[in-house]
Amino acid sequence: DADVTQTPRNRITKTGKRIMLECSQTKGHDRMYWYRQDPGLGLRLIYYSFDVKDINKGEISDGYSVSRQAQAKFSLSLESAIPNQTALYFCATSAGFNQPQHFGDGTRLSIL
Amino acid sequence: SQQGEEDPQALSIQEGENATMNCSYKTSINNLQWYRQNSGRGLVHLILIRSNEREKHSGRLRVTLDTSKKSSSLLITASRAADTASYFCATREGGSEKLVFGKGMKLTVNP
Repeated sequence: DADVTQTPRNRITKTGKRIMLECSQTKGHDRMYWYRQDPGLGLRLIYYSFDVKDINKGEISDGYSVSRQAQAKFSLSLESAIPNQTALYFCATSAGFNQPQHFGDGTRLSIL
Repeated sequence: SQQGEEDPQALSIQEGENATMNCSYKTSINNLQWYRQNSGRGLVHLILIRSNEREKHSGRLRVTLDTSKKSSSLLITASRAADTASYFCATREGGSEKLVFGKGMKLTVNP
């Protein structure tokens, strides 16, 4: 979905490095989400945000932090990356509680 | 925690055939959603069905929901090679903001 843009698309880095994944959206949605996808495990929610001042932990928030800089921007940080954080990371947005989610094309992150 | 489970995990059919995918879940839900993921891309929303609905259609897609059996099915009619993708069901429990995804099912449509 071109309305949700994730950067970078691919990243290879070393254990212990700090990494930031960025997400921006032009859909005007208040709700934004970060997920990780691992083979055979589906998507798991890391953090979600209802607006700039409302950040909530998801299912697997340990080792991650987020920042909602503006309605349109939601970034995910790995303070000290470890190999088991190697995964595909997705940002998504939603217009409301009973509305579908719109995904970016993901960031493939490899931690050596 | 995993909520929806798709079945079968993989399906291979010929172009023109129908494809049926099933999803089972464990707890009461507010709505159930189906998504498609093409290789290397993000998930694309297909259909959302609310807990008080039994069936919805969108083009070649038909979704049913049986809350008594805690199950849903996605039917793709007259499949095309372009339907080749992974399909996920996702459920929203009660008043929870969280959308819980199944592990996904890979559909291959052979030309």
